[in-house]
Amino acid sequence: GDSVTQMEGPVTLSEEACLTINCTYTATGYPSLFWYVQYPGEGLQLLLKATKADDKGSNKGFEATYRKETTSFHLEKGSVQVSDSAVYFCALSDQTGNQFYFGTGTSLTVIP
Amino acid sequence: DTGVSQDPRHKITKRGQNVTFRCDPISEHNRLYWYRQTLGQGPEFLTYFQNEAQLEKSRLLSDRFSAERPKGSFSTLEIQRTEQGDSAMYLCASSLTGGAGNIQYFGAGTRLSVL
Repeated sequence: GDSVTQMEGPVTLSEEACLTINCTYTATGYPSLFWYVQYPGEGLQLLLKATKADDKGSNKGFEATYRKETTSFHLEKGSVQVSDSAVYFCALSDQTGNQFYFGTGTSLTVIP
Repeated sequence: DTGVSQDPRHKITKRGQNVTFRCDPISEHNRLYWYRQTLGQGPEFLTYFQNEAQLEKSRLLSDRFSAERPKGSFSTLEIQRTEQGDSAMYLCASSLTGGAGNIQYFGAGTRLSVL
């Protein structure tokens, strides 16, 4: 069945460092791919999405490109801030949009 | 638009008791989803509704679990005869519709602790 494998954490970075969180997926057909972020005490929030191969999602300085050839959707940011500290979830929805599959989450801590 | 709200935020109960959680989706959203999230894991799909119809249920949803959305607005998730293994965060999400790329909006969750 469909699934998402996400880089394990936790990840600790200094402010202004580069971030990459790896995400690979297994799916039949043409899934949509998402990154959600969860700040402490809050619900998951959509960070960015891509619905077809080679699409690039971007938001708040974060980017991820839907790579069908490598079945990947890695999250990147060139310069992280303390306020980026959160748990990041990679997710996939099937072609119908009825089912979502989430990775295990990667905790990011950015230190000043 | 006040977002997805869930009540209560925390619930502590004794094993064997019944509990009920409520979710109020974003008002114009037709779809409502329930997930369970345990520590260190991502959310796991439990069930979803299109308006008042429950269209899909995960095999994770044992017969002790029941969900309703009687008027296609708010939803309730009931767990009967709770077990310690039910301790988790229960998340609700809603979306405007289905289809590829549809965005789910999540509530803050109800944390259940079964003693």
